[in-house]
Amino acid sequence: DGGITQSPKYLFRKEGQNVTLSCEQNLNHDAMYWYRQDPGQGLRLIYYSQIVNDFQKGDIAEGYSVSREKKESFPLTVTSAQKNPTAFYLCASSIREDRSYEQYFGPGTRLTVT
Amino acid sequence: GNSVTQMEGPVTLSEEAFLTINCTYTATGYPSLFWYVQYPGEGLQLLLKATKADDKGSNKGFEATYRKETTSFHLEKGSVQVSDSAVYFCALKASGTSYGKLTFGQGTILTVHP
Repeated sequence: DGGITQSPKYLFRKEGQNVTLSCEQNLNHDAMYWYRQDPGQGLRLIYYSQIVNDFQKGDIAEGYSVSREKKESFPLTVTSAQKNPTAFYLCASSIREDRSYEQYFGPGTRLTVT
Repeated sequence: GNSVTQMEGPVTLSEEAFLTINCTYTATGYPSLFWYVQYPGEGLQLLLKATKADDKGSNKGFEATYRKETTSFHLEKGSVQVSDSAVYFCALKASGTSYGKLTFGQGTILTVHP
């Protein structure tokens, strides 16, 4: 079955530690995205990548980093510089040339930092 | 800048009631408009979309019409079911922007009681 996998579903970390969230897709999509979801605030774009070895900052990139070494993978690192990292993180992908720009979402990772 | 505003929730309905969730947007040009649904503990799924003015998107009994004159894309369903309980997000992709960069509303929680 084609889809997007995010792991783990729940992640707990101590303040001051970096943590990497995994996102893998087997849809052969060129573009991939990371969103952060907080209660009552909808989704906010952290980073996106249109092609391997290239990525751009979204609206709230501070305190986060990404890499795109393979088409299938787009890991997100939440660094200790992120002031409020506890949130639900969603990864998505899309066909680069799709005029409808439909994005397919993974199941999400809930990160709790204490 | 681009923005999406949804009616405040939560919305609570009895089964078979009529549903309307209001969505208005601010964007230049002719954006594409989307409704996504998020079931508890899951990622988002595309519910329906419209890519030009007066288009009607429909899926699973839900409908929304792209109204350029009122900058609106209200979601409707004639008879809701308990299984429709979820969070609904209105989103837009502005014309001329980077691939797949979506702007989301804050989400509306819908609860349907038997």
